[in-house]
Amino acid sequence: NAGVTQTPKFRILKIGQSMTLQCTQDMNHNYMYWYRQDPGMGLKLIYYSVGAGITDKGEVPNGYNVSRSTTEDFPLRLELAAPSQTSVYFCASSPNPDTQYFGPGTRLTVL
Amino acid sequence: QKEVEQNSGPLSVPEGAIASLNCTYSDRVSQSFFWYRQYSGKSPELIMSIYSNGDKEDGRFTAQLNKASQYVSLLIRDSQPSDSATYLCAVNRQGAQKLVFGQGTRLTINP
Repeated sequence: NAGVTQTPKFRILKIGQSMTLQCTQDMNHNYMYWYRQDPGMGLKLIYYSVGAGITDKGEVPNGYNVSRSTTEDFPLRLELAAPSQTSVYFCASSPNPDTQYFGPGTRLTVL
Repeated sequence: QKEVEQNSGPLSVPEGAIASLNCTYSDRVSQSFFWYRQYSGKSPELIMSIYSNGDKEDGRFTAQLNKASQYVSLLIRDSQPSDSATYLCAVNRQGAQKLVFGQGTRLTINP
């Protein structure tokens, strides 16, 4: 079991570029989440999904999009990157909303 | 008022002492409560969950919940340098599909 995997580990973007952060889990979990964590801060929920084909906004969805076509994959799309999106992004999966298993994170810098 | 509040610290505790971490929450219908530990540069991992008033012990860790006062705490007995990390409090309302995280308390155990 690989658990939750995220790619890439690091990325530098220029302002206005776009990219997709990949997240895959092999635990057959229905729930998946995307968070961002700014330095010294807690986790802020961007988007989440309760199953394939179902997604919903979290508290900071602006500038991001998601899709969930399979149980395993939950990619996060950044359109028109801005410096304010510089952060560490964590994907998590869960068999229920409580017990979340986190991926290793993607460190994104927008210059 | 933030939904989940923690003192961001840093909290410095000598090795072998008891570390006490506190968290308050604003939503009275919150039903389940969690402590996640996050080492520097790593992803969060679940270490304790508590659902009913009182204490729950797991090894050197004790979670305490007081729903009337809307606080949850984590005690770490016989603190070790390996306990140095950021501790995130998370709360879930009944029927909600997601957790709300506090900003985390940075704990340092001094040898």
